[in-house]
Amino acid sequence: KAGVTQTPRYLIKTRGQQVTLSCSPISGHRSVSWYQQTPGQGLQFLFEYFSETQRNKGNFPGRFSGRQFSNSRSEMNVSTLELGDSALYLCASSRLAGANTGELFFGEGSRLTVL
Amino acid sequence: EDKVVQSPLSLVVHEGDTVTLNCSYEVTNFRSLLWYKQEKKAPTFLFMLTSSGIEKKSGRLSSILDKKELFSILNITATQTGDSAIYLCAVQEGNYGGSQGNLIFGKGTKLSVKP
Repeated sequence: KAGVTQTPRYLIKTRGQQVTLSCSPISGHRSVSWYQQTPGQGLQFLFEYFSETQRNKGNFPGRFSGRQFSNSRSEMNVSTLELGDSALYLCASSRLAGANTGELFFGEGSRLTVL
Repeated sequence: EDKVVQSPLSLVVHEGDTVTLNCSYEVTNFRSLLWYKQEKKAPTFLFMLTSSGIEKKSGRLSSILDKKELFSILNITATQTGDSAIYLCAVQEGNYGGSQGNLIFGKGTKLSVKP
């Protein structure tokens, strides 16, 4: 079956612009999480969505936002881009069947460069 | 502050060697500990550990968790060049009930296996 699909794979923006990234989870998966990966900080949790509701949020400023649609696809948006937002943004999906699955399936990521 | 620390940060070995990767953690609301392998972009799931002292094994890889001492190890025996990757340790924290919680990642161990 198809894996987690993220678009676009690469993009370049300038400071002050905004960007929207998209994530389509594995069919049947209802939980989508977003992570930011940088060389200095590693992988950091942004937020998690389940059934169109944000369930958890990491320690990122309000410029980072997201949403989930009824088909479980998710988008994240970063407004007023800063140089430090340059990173690989990873989306992960899970089935969330039962109390605790833990196994997240990651997409290939969207590489954002802010100039 | 919750944290996950991996050691060593990088490691160079020769094919056939056995390696042990370490992960220690301080997390308020521990749910599970996970290991991932990241070769190019998408981290791929290796193990999820929830109980102390129970070894998880998959081929040449094995892992065990010590919840008293708050650490886990990942062993790779008879290493191959294809094992070269970044190995990520993550602790899943948060309450149950319709949420994956928050994965707190370590910075990773970069393993290079020379022929």
